[in-house]
Amino acid sequence: QQPVQSPQAVILREGEDAVINCSSSKALYSVHWYRQKHGEAPVFLMILLKGGEQKGHEKISASFNEKKQQSSLYLTASQLSYSGTYFCGTYGSSNTGKLIFGQGTTLQVKP
Amino acid sequence: NAGVTQTPKFQVLKTGQSMTLQCAQDMNHNSMYWYRQDPGMGLRLIYYSASEGTTDKGEVPNGYNVSRLNKREFSLRLESAAPSQTSVYFCASSKDGRNTGELFFGEGSRLTVL
Repeated sequence: QQPVQSPQAVILREGEDAVINCSSSKALYSVHWYRQKHGEAPVFLMILLKGGEQKGHEKISASFNEKKQQSSLYLTASQLSYSGTYFCGTYGSSNTGKLIFGQGTTLQVKP
Repeated sequence: NAGVTQTPKFQVLKTGQSMTLQCAQDMNHNSMYWYRQDPGMGLRLIYYSASEGTTDKGEVPNGYNVSRLNKREFSLRLESAAPSQTSVYFCASSKDGRNTGELFFGEGSRLTVL
């Protein structure tokens, strides 16, 4: 089942903060976050694992609440380059390797 | 390093025609994926392959077939294209497909079915 993201869209000014949420009805083993710029392929941001371990490549933080089956992505002091669509992905309880993505959150950062 | 390569990048078909989207990765990854992306729907998994010789249905497999030819290649076939299959298709790969494996995506193939 597809995870649910909120909000669907966010418009910010440079320097403002944003939070994107991802929730699932199933137990989660991990949560992936990806960003996609218009006309491009999605690019990996980070993975959050049970137990609090994070693996990522950018200065963007996130949290993973296993009990609530939720994850949140925190974008602080937004830059123009943060604009794009953010997707969370989950494997769910079956751990089959099938990564299922949410519907996406579009973030627009204005000067 | 090319990463994940998809061909063709653009294709226009008529209803009922067939075609194959090709995907190849040069990162020695075990797992490969096919997703489709439609406005407002996010990325939806069509098929998944955990390793050479294995494939598994995703969220929206109807109307598609796949073939994991070898470790490098994973093709997606539309036997009789329908307008509802107009979409952008992304192939992706990951090292092991388990919880710790990030996905690397190809540039996408834009398919229009008239």
